[in-house]
Order: sequence, then C-alpha cells, then structure tokens
Amino acid sequence: AQSVTQLGSHVSVSEGALVLLRCNYSSSVPPYLFWYVQYPNQGLQLLLKYTSAATLVKGINGFEAEFKKSETSFHLTKPSAHMSDAAEYFCAVSYGGSQGNLIFGKGTKLSVKP
Amino acid sequence: GAVVSQHPSWVICKSGTSVKIECRSLDFQATTMFWYRQFPKQSLMLMATSNEGSKATYEQGVEKDKFLINHASLTLSTLTVTSAHPEDSSFYICSARSVRRRTDTQYFGPGTRLTVL
Repeated sequence: AQSVTQLGSHVSVSEGALVLLRCNYSSSVPPYLFWYVQYPNQGLQLLLKYTSAATLVKGINGFEAEFKKSETSFHLTKPSAHMSDAAEYFCAVSYGGSQGNLIFGKGTKLSVKP
Repeated sequence: GAVVSQHPSWVICKSGTSVKIECRSLDFQATTMFWYRQFPKQSLMLMATSNEGSKATYEQGVEKDKFLINHASLTLSTLTVTSAHPEDSSFYICSARSVRRRTDTQYFGPGTRLTVL
C-alpha cells in the first residue's frame, strides 16, 4: 500500500536557522506531492505542491521543496526560520490524478526557539 | 480564492444526541468534498469522500450509519454524527476540490472541534 513517511515527529530549530522537514513516499509511480501546515486548532493550509512540472517547488512563506525521484523524497526547507513558522507540517501524496485521495504522513511539529 | 468554511467551529453535546457539521466552498464549485477526523497529536484520517448528487464513499472501518454525509450542492456538504458518544469526540476537517481547476489540490476548512459529554 502507498504510504508517506515523515522522519521526525518533532523538529526544533533556532530562529534564523535552516528548517528541514523530511518526507518520503513509497511508490514506483511518481505521485502528486503536497505540504500542508496546520496551526493550533485550525485546518490545513497548502504550502506548496508538486504536480510533475519543475522538481523544485516554491511555496508560500519562503518554503520550498524538491522532488527527488531517485530518493522518493520531497523534503521541505526554509533557509531561515521565523517564530511564526512554529506549527504542525504534513506531507501528503495523491496517486489517482484528478480523482485521487490524499494520503497524509503523521506530521512533524516544528518548534522555533528564540 | 479557494476558501472553505465549516460551521460550527466547535460544538459540545450530550451523549446520544446528533450533531450536524456543514462544509461550504465559498468561492468555487466543488464536485468532491472530503471528510477527515483528527485525534490529538495525530494525522488526518480520511473518513469519506463525498461527490455532489451521489452517495458518499466511506473508508474501511467508518460506520456509514453513524456518520451521515450529504452533498446536496456543489458548494455544500454536511456530516451528521448520529447518536454521538464520547469516543466520537475529535477534530473534524473537511476539504473540497475544485471542479474547474482540474487539479488534485484540496482546500481545507478550519475544522470543527466536537466534544461529546
């Protein structure tokens, strides 16, 4: 079965430091890939998505992710963390084209220290 | 654009009562809406997929008679938790996919916190 693995349930960085959140998927067929952010007691907000165009995807709030087929990865990065980036981040995949459902990873909680 | 709303944002009810949660796409038409539940510190689990004008498709293990889903129009889907019990307490989130944008992107609502006493 297809799955999404997010390494590290909790990542802590200092303000201004690099943010790296890892996501790997299991499939021989490249899926559509998404990163969502969830602030406490809120729904999910789309950060960025990969849909078979450019492998380096830029999203909102300075985040970007690179699709690497050879590594089946779609890691999320941001050069300099801000306090407001503290939230839960979910990686998700979709395999079924326009009808595909999202499969979510377990999430990574990002903490940003002053 | 692509705003999805949910109502109510939180609800507290007594055990045995039914609760209805609404999910609306405010500025686009959605042929498909999804319902998820999220337990504390866990990921989102898909409960069902709702297509406008047809019966919802439930995920394995989700009781269709307990979680009634109606998708009456291209902008509204409702989830009714019937005879709610404390174990149904959770964060329920809906999402909608745009029929015109022909993309896999799901736009999520802000969620509804259900507490069953």
